[in-house]
Amino acid sequence: AQSVSQHNHHVILSEAASLELGCNYSYGGTVNLFWYVQYPGQHLQLLLKYFSGDPLVKGIKGFEAEFIKSKFSFNLRKPSVQWSDTAEYFCAVHSGTYKYIFGTGTRLKVLA
Amino acid sequence: EPEVTQTPSHQVTQMGQEVILRCVPISNHLYFYWYRQILGQKVEFLVSFYNNEISEKSEIFDDQFSVERPDGSNFTLKIRSTKLEDSAMYFCARSGGASDTQYFGPGTRLTVL
Repeated sequence: AQSVSQHNHHVILSEAASLELGCNYSYGGTVNLFWYVQYPGQHLQLLLKYFSGDPLVKGIKGFEAEFIKSKFSFNLRKPSVQWSDTAEYFCAVHSGTYKYIFGTGTRLKVLA
Repeated sequence: EPEVTQTPSHQVTQMGQEVILRCVPISNHLYFYWYRQILGQKVEFLVSFYNNEISEKSEIFDDQFSVERPDGSNFTLKIRSTKLEDSAMYFCARSGGASDTQYFGPGTRLTVL
């Protein structure tokens, strides 16, 4: 069965620290990959997505992610986090059916 | 980003009661989805809906659940007889095509007592 793993469940960083959140998926075919962010009390918002082409994708608010096909990974990065990045981050995979498969999420807390 | 609104934002109900959650997509997108997120767990797919038919559903989406788009606008999820384990946040999503990006609503928090 298809699955998405996010190994970091809780991350605490100080402002200006660099961020990398891991995402691995299990599916051998063509995939579309997404990172969504959920700020406290708000809905899921799309941060960035990968469909094809350049495996390094840039999203909103300075986030980027790299698709490494050989590692089945799509890790999210940001060089310097801000307090306002405190949120829960979800990786999702779309692989030809209608549904998205989500990871368990990573709660990021940025200390001012 | 195109919007989806959901009503109510919070619904409290007694076990065994029927609930209807509503989604109003503010666009002409044709593909609709329901997901749920039990507190502390991952977001799980329930059902997708296109052209007034269910196109895919998960194991969670049993006979207690139904979806419809009765007036061509609102997209509803009905739970006929709620159980304690139905307590969750329910998200509606929509997309322009089956392979397009899905945009999510703010969710309805359902609490079953």
